Amino acid sequence: GQQLNQSPQSMFIQEGEDVSMNCTSSSIFNTWLWYKQDPGEGPVLLIALYKAGELTSNGRLTAQFGITRKDSFLNISASIPSDVGIYFCAGPYMNRDDKIIFGKGTRLHILP
Amino acid sequence: DGGITQSPKYLFRKEGQNVTLSCEQNLNHDAMYWYRQDPGQGLRLIYYSQIVNDFQKGDIAEGYSVSREKKESFPLTVTSAQKNPTAFYLCASSRWGQGAVNSPLHFGNGTRLTVT
Repeated sequence: GQQLNQSPQSMFIQEGEDVSMNCTSSSIFNTWLWYKQDPGEGPVLLIALYKAGELTSNGRLTAQFGITRKDSFLNISASIPSDVGIYFCAGPYMNRDDKIIFGKGTRLHILP
Repeated sequence: DGGITQSPKYLFRKEGQNVTLSCEQNLNHDAMYWYRQDPGQGLRLIYYSQIVNDFQKGDIAEGYSVSREKKESFPLTVTSAQKNPTAFYLCASSRWGQGAVNSPLHFGNGTRLTVT
């Protein structure tokens, strides 16, 4: 079935470093979504992308909808302790309106 | 403030007992969802409902049941038939279909169920 592959699975970085993570699929998506989950809480939408090539920022976060429509990237600049958590990419299953699928997440750890 | 409320935050049950997890939203969203989260597994869809009195199975519906008698409420029952019920359960809602443009998921803060 349709799957989203996120990498890396986890990252250990120093505070202040920039972060890059990505999400790939074998099939085309017409929407890419990026969520963040803080420890012990529900995920929150960070950025939604609806057009191939689109580059969207939300504060220190920037996400891109890949030109091939089979991938998306999320970058975090100048990481801070509250960036810790799990980052999920998601997209509509078979490009349907009623269901999305999630990647397995990238867990971000920040070393003091 | 509008949002999704899940209760309780932590729930403990003995094996063989059914347990119902509560989910209420005041966002006036049509669609509601239940996800299960296990370490390293991401989010897996259990059941979803796009309209009152109607719901569909997700990817891992076996051993679970739901009802949608009111727009605001979508309780999940974990039955004794669920072989590995211990997990973190997340409820979510969206204005309409979760894959539709400008209809992102809003999540509750989850219920951690432990069955011993």
